[in-house]
Amino acid sequence: SAVISQKPSRDICQRGTSLTIQCQVDSQVTMMFWYRQQPGQSLTLIATANQGSEATYESGFVIDKFPISRPNLTFSTLTVSNMSPEDSSIYLCSAEGGRGADTQYFGPGTRLTVL
Amino acid sequence: GQQLNQSPQSMFIQEGEDVSMNCTSSSIFNTWLWYKQDPGEGPVLLIALYKAGELTSNGRLTAQFGITRKDSFLNISASIPSDVGIYFCAGPGSQTSGSRLTFGEGTQLTVNP
Repeated sequence: SAVISQKPSRDICQRGTSLTIQCQVDSQVTMMFWYRQQPGQSLTLIATANQGSEATYESGFVIDKFPISRPNLTFSTLTVSNMSPEDSSIYLCSAEGGRGADTQYFGPGTRLTVL
Repeated sequence: GQQLNQSPQSMFIQEGEDVSMNCTSSSIFNTWLWYKQDPGEGPVLLIALYKAGELTSNGRLTAQFGITRKDSFLNISASIPSDVGIYFCAGPGSQTSGSRLTFGEGTQLTVNP
């Protein structure tokens, strides 16, 4: 299984600013994913990040708001741009692993509060 | 889009009791995953199921991939206080491209000592 770390673990930000979240995997993986988990809710996929190509965004999420980088097979970043209080959530990255590419392992999450 | 219905939403049980929760899908799933999330943490993978009918155990946890490929259940036997948390089912349905997971709404488990 992949071991995944995220930085920062939490942050409090002002409205209108941007925050970049880093995700590091302890092994090379083809596919990494970014999720959002709003308070008391389940996980919602933001985008899939493959190395060497543009991220693929889910309906309701756009690149201008959530730009993603994937410079190599062990690292990815998600930026939450021009933040508003509605962006207050836990942001989680995951990576494929296990017997099938459908199995994903998650990082500890970044708890973001926007004032 | 695909939907996962997870039930129950919450459970309050006594230590030592067995627990059962399930997920149903509106479409066929190729893989069923069960995760547990503790407060302030990311989801931790408990069990992964890859074949219809598959029954897999991980300690006190047992999960099954339904024959119809549209459902799965998770059982926890002899619950202990550290079982407290939110349990999610998830899977990439056959209609999705790549490995995009759909998550259930979660089952909040409370275990009273």
